[in-house]
Amino acid sequence: EVQLVESGGGLVQPGGSLRLSCAASGFTFSSYEMNWVRQAPGKGLEWVSYISSSGSTIYYADSVKGRFTISRDNAKNSLYLQMNSLRAEDTAVYYCARLSYGYNENYYYYMDVWGKGTTVTVSS
Amino acid sequence: DIQMTQSPSSLSASVGDRVTITCRASQSISSYLNWYQQKPGKAPKLLIYAASSLQSGVPSRFSGSGSGTDFTLTISSLQPEDFATYYCQQSYSTPIFTFGPGTKVDIK
Repeated sequence: EVQLVESGGGLVQPGGSLRLSCAASGFTFSSYEMNWVRQAPGKGLEWVSYISSSGSTIYYADSVKGRFTISRDNAKNSLYLQMNSLRAEDTAVYYCARLSYGYNENYYYYMDVWGKGTTVTVSS
Repeated sequence: DIQMTQSPSSLSASVGDRVTITCRASQSISSYLNWYQQKPGKAPKLLIYAASSLQSGVPSRFSGSGSGTDFTLTISSLQPEDFATYYCQQSYSTPIFTFGPGTKVDIK
C-alpha cells in the first residue's frame, strides 16, 4: 500500500524549533519529488516547501523562507522539515505530499498521495 | 505570484443536486489546475488534474473544465459522501504551488 506517515509534531514555544518527519512506503521514494503543505486551524491549504527527487532542488514559500529547511534521505525513505524560529502563525497541521505528473503534450503536476498530517502548535 | 480565488466560499445543496464550483487564477495558467476534496480531520484527496482529467478511482460524477483563468468543478449528482471542502490548486508555476481558499459544500 502506498503510504506517507508524518511524525514529530507537538507543542513548542515561540522561537523554538521542531523537526518533522515523513516516512514513505509502498513506492520508490527516491523517484518522486515531495512537498510539505500545511493547514492552520479552520483555514485553507498552504504549500510550504518542495524538494526534488535527488534533493538538489528546493523551494520554499515566502512565509517560511530562512526559517524552515526541507531535506530527504532516500536510503531511509524519509522526508524531513526542520522548523526554526517558530511563530504562532506556524500553528497548523503539516502534511507531506507526493508529487506526480501526467503527460498530454505537457507535464501536468499534482499531489496524488498525502499523509494524515502531524499537528504543530506554537504557543507559550 | 499567481493568486487563486474560488466562488462561492460555501454552498448548501441537497443529495442529487448538480453542484458547480468556480476557480479563477490571477493570470493565465493554461490547464495547469487541480482539484482536491477534503473532509473534516482528513487529508486532501486529488479529484481532477490538468483541469479535466479524472484521477483514478474518482467517481465519474466529478468533472472539471476550463482553461486560461477560469475553471469549474462540477458534481453531476451530489451524494452524501460528497459533503466536504473543495480546493483548486495551480501547478503552472511548479514547483511553487498556490491553493484557492476553498469551497465548503454542506447539506441543505
